[in-house]
Amino acid sequence: GAGVSQSPSNKVTEKGKDVELRCDPISGHTALYWYRQRLGQGLEFLIYFQGNSAPDKSGLPSDRFSAERTGESVSTLTIQRTQQEDSAVYLCASSLGPAQETQYFGPGTRLLVL
Amino acid sequence: SQKIEQNSEALNIQEGKTATLTCNYTNYSPAYLQWYRQDPGRGPVFLLLIRENEKEKRKERLKVTFDTTLKQSLFHITASQPADSATYLCALPMDSSYKLIFGSGTRLLVRP
Repeated sequence: GAGVSQSPSNKVTEKGKDVELRCDPISGHTALYWYRQRLGQGLEFLIYFQGNSAPDKSGLPSDRFSAERTGESVSTLTIQRTQQEDSAVYLCASSLGPAQETQYFGPGTRLLVL
Repeated sequence: SQKIEQNSEALNIQEGKTATLTCNYTNYSPAYLQWYRQDPGRGPVFLLLIRENEKEKRKERLKVTFDTTLKQSLFHITASQPADSATYLCALPMDSSYKLIFGSGTRLLVRP
C-alpha cells in the first residue's frame, strides 16, 4: 500500500497478558517511530528506529515495553504483562530518513486492557 | 523540559470565518514547528512545517506564523468549511533529534 499500515486495528486483552502490535512503514522510509496517545491527550514518543543504527528507546515507559524492527521494514511493539494504564492508541509513523522532518502516520492500534 | 500548550477547549466557528489556533511552547525555540490534522479514529496527517527563520508560511487556505520571541505559533484556516472540523496538533522536535513532542491538540468545529 501507499501509506503506513498497522495491525490489529483494535485489541482487547486481559490484564497480565502480552500483546504484540505491528507496523508496516512506507516502502523506502528508513526512519520509524512509535507513539502512544491516551484519550484526549497528545502523542507521547516511545521509540525511534533509523536504518541499522541502535534504536532510541528513551521514551519507553517501562521495561515491559520493547520494540524490534527488521532492517528497514516491519516493526513490532510488544507490551508484556499488560496493565490497565497501557490502554491507549499506539501510533506508528515513518519518514524518508533522519533529515526528513515530515512523519507519515498509520491509523493506529486501539488497545484496551481489561 | 520542553512543553507545548494548546487550548484544550474546542473552537466553534461559523462556516466562512477564519479559524485561529494557538500553540505555545515553554522552553528552547525549536529549529522548526509542525502542524498536523487528526480526525477521529485516525492517525495525524502532516499539514505545514515552519522553520525558526520563517515568520509565515502559507498553503492554500492555511497560514502558519512562528514568533520565537513570544514562543508561539498561530495556525489560521481562512474561509473555513465544515470539512475542516478536526483536531489540530502542534509538534516540535525534541532537542536536536527528529523525535517530536506533540501538544494535546485543539478541536475545531465549523458550523454550516
